Amino acid sequence: AQTVTQSQPEMSVQEAETVTLSCTYDTSESDYYLFWYKQPPSRQMILVIRQEAYKQQNATENRFSVNFQKAAKSFSLKISDSQLGDAAMYFCAYRSAAGANNLFFGTGTRLTVIP
Amino acid sequence: EPEVTQTPSHQVTQMGQEVILRCVPISNHLYFYWYRQILGQKVEFLVSFYNNEISEKSEIFDDQFSVERPDGSNFTLKIRSTKLEDSAMYFCASTGGTGYYEQYFGPGTRLTVT
Repeated sequence: AQTVTQSQPEMSVQEAETVTLSCTYDTSESDYYLFWYKQPPSRQMILVIRQEAYKQQNATENRFSVNFQKAAKSFSLKISDSQLGDAAMYFCAYRSAAGANNLFFGTGTRLTVIP
Repeated sequence: EPEVTQTPSHQVTQMGQEVILRCVPISNHLYFYWYRQILGQKVEFLVSFYNNEISEKSEIFDDQFSVERPDGSNFTLKIRSTKLEDSAMYFCASTGGTGYYEQYFGPGTRLTVT
């Protein structure tokens, strides 16, 4: 079974600074998708960014970017120019590209943004 | 923007009682999911549903659980005889396809079993 590990239960960042959230995963598959979801205090999870494993180029969405290291099975999220609205739980998730399309989640990282 | 809705937001029930958690997925979506998150733990997959039948289920989804799409809009999760350990947030999600389509999550139902 696939496992996703987030080793940082909590992180904090000064407003306007950059923070990196770590995620590692374990899989024997070669093709899969990786996601970062944000869960604000309202509890509805929102997709932040996704990465297809077959793509070497790291995904970027505005202030959010990933560092995808397939060989190391690492998928970190970098948030640049942090804003107060970035404060949330961040979940890393894995999905197989074949067969079951359910998500496997990590335990989450709670990000605090300090004004 | 369309969104997944869930009712109720909080349900309190006594051990052994049946509960039904309701979800309204996004209208043109085809795949539906239930996940749960026990307090302080990771979000765990329970079941996926497509074309009016279960397509995948986890080992958590035992005979106490069932899902149904009783009409064209609702997607329900029933727990037949609740246990204390069923206390959790239950999230519904839907997606339009099996590719890298985003799963859209509802706000969750907090189930408390006493």
